[in-house]
Amino acid sequence: SQQGEEDPQALSIQEGENATMNCSYKTSINNLQWYRQNSGRGLVHLILIRSNEREKHSGRLRVTLDTSKKSSSLLITASRAADTASYFCATDERETSGSRLTFGEGTQLTVNP
Amino acid sequence: EPEVTQTPSHQVTQMGQEVILRCVPISNHLYFYWYRQILGQKVEFLVSFYNNEISEKSEIFDDQFSVERPDGSNFTLKIRSTKLEDSAMYFCASSEERAAITGELFFGEGSRLTVL
Repeated sequence: SQQGEEDPQALSIQEGENATMNCSYKTSINNLQWYRQNSGRGLVHLILIRSNEREKHSGRLRVTLDTSKKSSSLLITASRAADTASYFCATDERETSGSRLTFGEGTQLTVNP
Repeated sequence: EPEVTQTPSHQVTQMGQEVILRCVPISNHLYFYWYRQILGQKVEFLVSFYNNEISEKSEIFDDQFSVERPDGSNFTLKIRSTKLEDSAMYFCASSEERAAITGELFFGEGSRLTVL
């Protein structure tokens, strides 16, 4: 398997519910980021968590990082129909020059009104 | 709000033709990138560029690809002789610092390349 794998691949929930997406990676990292992509559009940065951090919040987003398990989770609370998008984790691997992000396969989130 | 702009939004070309994709990064950013996304697949790193030279490139970025910053604002990706498998969405991105430092990349809306 590859660096940055998300699960589930697809998630469908009702508006108001929480959505949790998970990401696993293989190498040592400096940081892990989550990006959002609306269909056919560019990626938008959501949140970054550094390797020495365990949890971070930004509005309705909560990210956790477990470097011992090489995994991260993104929680979106009180979801809205407008949250419908693909969500990708991206890692910056320590073995590279620090200018390269490796993206995961993504989770397609559908929030039904 | 400053943004990364890309042109064209969609280009259709014949196999073997040269293609140039253009990007205008955010003006005070120093690091520039090209990523691509084949339909339905994940986003893949192609190349990073800093101080007028390539910082890093992936195995995808072979001799058919080149990047250039011809003036103070544009950042281009050239594919010399396109192949069918080059069909993808190409994203330009820029950042103030290396991904390892501040992390956040600002992406353009992408240029969809279709090779026939």
